[in-house]
Amino acid sequence: EVQLVESGGGLIQPGGSLRLSCAASGFTVSSNYMSWVRQAPGKGLEWVSIIYSGGSTYYADSVKGRFTISRDNSKNTLYLQMNSLRAEDTAVYYCARDSSGWYEDYWGQGTLVTVSS
Amino acid sequence: DIQMTQSPSSLSASVGDRVTITCRASQSISSYLNWYQQKPGKAPKLLIYAASTLQSGVPSRFSGSGSGTDFTLTISSLQPEDFATYYCQQSYSTPRSFGQGTKLEIK
Repeated sequence: EVQLVESGGGLIQPGGSLRLSCAASGFTVSSNYMSWVRQAPGKGLEWVSIIYSGGSTYYADSVKGRFTISRDNSKNTLYLQMNSLRAEDTAVYYCARDSSGWYEDYWGQGTLVTVSS
Repeated sequence: DIQMTQSPSSLSASVGDRVTITCRASQSISSYLNWYQQKPGKAPKLLIYAASTLQSGVPSRFSGSGSGTDFTLTISSLQPEDFATYYCQQSYSTPRSFGQGTKLEIK
């Protein structure tokens, strides 16, 4: 059974850093495209980043230069390193498996990041 | 970057109604269009991918159509569990983008 479990969210001050983790089971992270999508409170879905199976990475303009997506093949885990956090980064962050670059077919339950002083 | 525009933003309907949601891309995205359903406090759920392919386990009352820039999601006969927010997403190019969502409410 495919499962994705995010962790690492919490309350952080503006300008701070946080690393989110997404532990996968039932499939191999490195053989798939993997995405991060976020949702600010009461708002819609916003695509954040993707890592391809070959290792290429892409980011939304709103996080480029501040966020880094990566994976640890030995732990079958996806990460999102978030630096220089801003109030507008406050959101629930979801990781998702991207099937062959077409669509996100499995999603985690999400982890809440709150950026506030 | 490709912009996705959904209409309407909200919709009131009754159980048994036929409902259509529209999604328009700012440029051609071929059939790289997906539809998701999201209920409060839950992760999105994939309904339809590649514009018209029903994800496994999704009821057949859901259908999708379109290509290029104009797409539709149709629910043929609304059930109580269908009241949720629906999002379209383009996967034609990065950065990927979602529509702003359509909230489907009970009339």
